[in-house]
Order: sequence, then C-alpha cells, then structure tokens
Amino acid sequence: EAGVVQSPRYKIIEKKQPVAFWCNPISGHNTLYWYRQNLGQGPELLIRYENEEAVDDSQLPKDRFSAERLKGVDSTLKIQPAELGDSAVYLCASSRTSGVSSYNEQFFGPGTRLTVL
Amino acid sequence: QKEVEQNSGPLSVPEGAIASLNCTYSDRGSQSFFWYRQYSGKSPELIMFIYSNGDKEDGRFTAQLNKASQYVSLLIRDSQPSDSATYLCAVKSTNAGNMLTFGGGTRLMVKP
Repeated sequence: EAGVVQSPRYKIIEKKQPVAFWCNPISGHNTLYWYRQNLGQGPELLIRYENEEAVDDSQLPKDRFSAERLKGVDSTLKIQPAELGDSAVYLCASSRTSGVSSYNEQFFGPGTRLTVL
Repeated sequence: QKEVEQNSGPLSVPEGAIASLNCTYSDRGSQSFFWYRQYSGKSPELIMFIYSNGDKEDGRFTAQLNKASQYVSLLIRDSQPSDSATYLCAVKSTNAGNMLTFGGGTRLMVKP
C-alpha cells in the first residue's frame, strides 16, 4: 500500500511570493489533515477534511492560507503571500475516518520543508 | 499552559538501559493517547497507543496511562542507538473534535 505522497519535498521562496503544496492521501482514506511543524515543536493542525468538506480550519490563517480538496482525494495547501514566519515543515496526513479509535490512525507524508527568505 | 507538555530533552541514556519519556495533558476529556517517533528530517510514525488506565506493552515499548493524574509515559527497554529520535506525545479528545493535539516532543539520545 502506497503511503501519503507530498510534493515538493523542499521549497525556497522569497517573502511575498506565493507557494503551493500538494498531497495525495492513502487510497480509501476519507480524512485528510494538513499540519505545520516548526523546528523543535510538535505538529499543529491547520485544517482537516472529511472527504471534500473542510470541517476544522480554526487554526488556518485565512488571510493568507487557503486549501482545497477537490473530489475528496488530492489536496492543495496554498500560501499567498508568504511571510518569513511561514518557514516550517508542512505535513499532510490521512486516516480512514477521524473517530477516536486507533482504527483511525493517522499516517503522515514526508512533508514539505518551506524556507522563506 | 500548553495542552500537552513534554520535556524537550535531550534525554541521554546508555545503550541497553531503560528510557522513560513523560507527557502530561490538560484536557480531562481526553480519551486516547498516542506516542509517535520522529527521526530527524522524517515524518512522525505511530509506535504505541493506549486508551485505558494502566500499562500496555508491545515488544520493548510500554505505554503507561494514569488519567487521574493526566499523565502518560513511554518506557523503552533495552534502548538501542537506533531508538535515538524525537518522541511525540499526542492526545485525542472529543472536546477537541477528536483531533490530535501534539506535545513538543522529547529528544532521546541512546549512546553506544
């Protein structure tokens, strides 16, 4: 079974430029998550999708961040314009559903390391 | 106060020793608890989960949960240099919409 796929793996941009990250979840996983992980910290949830619907985006800075999950499969996270403080690793994860049981284990992709200069 | 707290470390143990990693959480409605291992530059991978008070063993790993004290720990027996990584504690609560809330992680170093 293929894991969660993310691209690009690395991205270096100048501040005020736009950037987009792509995620392909594990086949059959209905729930998709985007996390941001700053150096030396744990992942922080940005947004969660149940199929096509964004059901938890309270931590997403909506003035500059946007996300979509067309057809309930692949997802794209965009930042426009990027700021210096956006430098972090952006992790995508997926699970079968988002219930409380371990059956709903989240599997993480390799992440995209963003550097904003 | 952070919702999930861990000592950032590094925790240094000699090879073959027991490594003890600790985590406290603030939400009494938390129902499930997870330990993820994250190697440098890699993504987190689940190694243990626990729901009930007490101990849960899986190979060299033992998770311990005390809901009254809002405390969860991970013991690694016979620590190996390959166990050197950051260990992330994560908590899931219905009060948080069943989302995972991560601690900051504890960096473990196992010295040969």
